[in-house]
Amino acid sequence: DTGVSQDPRHKITKRGQNVTFRCDPISEHNRLYWYRQTLGQGPEFLTYFQNEAQLEKSRLLSDRFSAERPKGSFSTLEIQRTEQGDSAMYLCASSSNPMRDRAPGQYFGPGTRLTVT
Amino acid sequence: AQSVAQPEDQVNVAEGNPLTVKCTYSVSGNPYLFWYVQYPNRGLQFLLKYITGDNLVKGSYGFEAEFNKSQTSFHLKKPSALVSDSALYFCAVSGGDTGRRALTFGSGTRLQVQP
Repeated sequence: DTGVSQDPRHKITKRGQNVTFRCDPISEHNRLYWYRQTLGQGPEFLTYFQNEAQLEKSRLLSDRFSAERPKGSFSTLEIQRTEQGDSAMYLCASSSNPMRDRAPGQYFGPGTRLTVT
Repeated sequence: AQSVAQPEDQVNVAEGNPLTVKCTYSVSGNPYLFWYVQYPNRGLQFLLKYITGDNLVKGSYGFEAEFNKSQTSFHLKKPSALVSDSALYFCAVSGGDTGRRALTFGSGTRLQVQP
């Protein structure tokens, strides 16, 4: 499977615990995005990377959230001191170099469903 | 700020009939517009996009969308619906004057195709 993969698929944690999610993009894609989706809503942008550089962060990304892409390949999203309001589906997407396609389509992974109890 | 509106929470259509899922957008400058579909327990799948040029764009699974700049709309269409088209559809926008790369999504429209 050469699509975007995410791990774990499901995570249940207690309030106050830290969690970390991983995303492996399509190998030739240099842009990687994180979104959050709650029930009945469309995905909301959190942050994105071009290679290892984090180029944009949404104001939704509070200081409890941090994302990294250390070698420009996989990425991790960490949530510290989780709250019940963090319960959502966390989606990762990747896209190719926009120099070749002005608006490359973003290809999404299956998501990590986080439940904070 | 960019925004997308999908005015219908649900669209019901009989199999074999044409379908339309509506989307309007707000962005300063020229938009890039996308449609995605989400099946249960599966990730978002890219259907089609508009960047520039012909206002009618064709995508996967027989879907097409029409860009209308004056009405700021990008409605998704299919001439003949299939039961297997039943899913959640999202319209999204990026680009504009800021050249924003991240997608702004609408709230989604559930398409139900009855046999």
